This record gives sequence, C-alpha cells and structure tokens, in this order.
Amino acid sequence: AQSVTQPDIHITVSEGASLELRCNYSYGATPYLFWYVQSPGQGLQLLLKYFSGDTLVQGIKGFEAEFKRSQSSFNLRKPSVHWSDAAEYFCAVKQTSYDKVIFGPGTSLSVIP
Amino acid sequence: DGGITQSPKYLFRKEGQNVTLSCEQNLNHDAMYWYRQDPGQGLRLIYYSQIVNDFQKGDIAEGYSVSREKKESFPLTVTSAQKNPTAFYLCASSIGGLTGELFFGEGSRLTVL
Repeated sequence: AQSVTQPDIHITVSEGASLELRCNYSYGATPYLFWYVQSPGQGLQLLLKYFSGDTLVQGIKGFEAEFKRSQSSFNLRKPSVHWSDAAEYFCAVKQTSYDKVIFGPGTSLSVIP
Repeated sequence: DGGITQSPKYLFRKEGQNVTLSCEQNLNHDAMYWYRQDPGQGLRLIYYSQIVNDFQKGDIAEGYSVSREKKESFPLTVTSAQKNPTAFYLCASSIGGLTGELFFGEGSRLTVL
C-alpha cells in the first residue's frame, strides 16, 4: 500500500539556521509529491510540488525540495529559518488513480529566537 | 476572493446527535475532499468526490456521510455511529486530475461533550 513517512515528529531550530525536513514514500510508479504547511488552527497551504523534470523544485517562502528517486525521498529545505516558519509541515503523495492524496503524519517545527 | 469556506469553525455536540459540517467553494473545482485531523496522526481521508452526484469512501468513512448535489458544495454529516468524532475537520478542493493540488478551508473543530 502507498504510504508516506516523516521520520521527525518534532524539530527545533534557531532562527537563521538551516532546515531540512525529511519525507520518504513507498509507491511503485512515478509519484506526484507535495509539501504543505499548517499554522495552528488553520487549513493547509501548498509550499511546493513535484511532478516531473528538474528534481530540485522551488516553492513559496524560500523553501525548496529535492526529489531523489533512488532514496524514495522528497526532503524539504530552507537555508535560513525565520520565526514565522514555526508550523506543522506535511509531505503528501498523490495516487495516479482515483485522485487521492495521502499525507504523512507531519513534522512540527519550533523556531528559537 | 476565491476560496473554500467551512462552517461552523467551532461546534459542540452531545453524544448521540448528528451534526453537519458545511463546505462551499467558489474555485470552480471538480474534486472535493473531507479530511479528519487528530494530533500526531496527520490527515486521514474520509470521503472524496470527483464530480457532482458521485463520491467515494476514503480510509475512515465509517460513521460519516456526504452528498454532492452541487459542484460548489460538499457537506459532511458526522453521525451518532462515529465512535470518536471529536477532531479537526478539513475540507479541500482541487481541479482534479493528476497535477491538481489541494486547496484547503480553515477547518471546523468538532467537540463531543
């Protein structure tokens, strides 16, 4: 069965430090991959997506992600974290049939001033 | 502005009562979804609809029902058969197809007293 894992439940970084959030998926075919961000008590907002082509994709708010087929990974990165980046981050995979999106359990990010 | 509106934002219900959560979108999207979010579990798909008058069960459909009589509306009823209904409920829509990302509402928090 298709699944998405995010190994880190919670990460704390200092403001200005770099960030990498991990995401691994299990899926036989070419995946369609997404990263979403959620502020407390709010809905989710799309940060970036990968469908094909260049394996390094740029998103909003200075985020980027790299697709590595050999590792079944789609890790999210940011060179310098801002306090406003504190939120919950979800990796997601879209099935190629039935239009379903499967979400990982999320990684909660805290930022120390 | 185009978007997804969920109501009510907060809802309290007594055990044994049915409750309906509203979801309206003016994005002209074909596909709509309902997710349930519990702490530490990410988002789990309840129901989704790819077209008017058609919908499919997701991974945790038991105790829930939906309808899709209009393209812009996808209400979710939490029935008394749902054993643990206290949760944060998120509605989303997409243009459909493989590349359409999800657009989310701000969520409805249901508490069973």
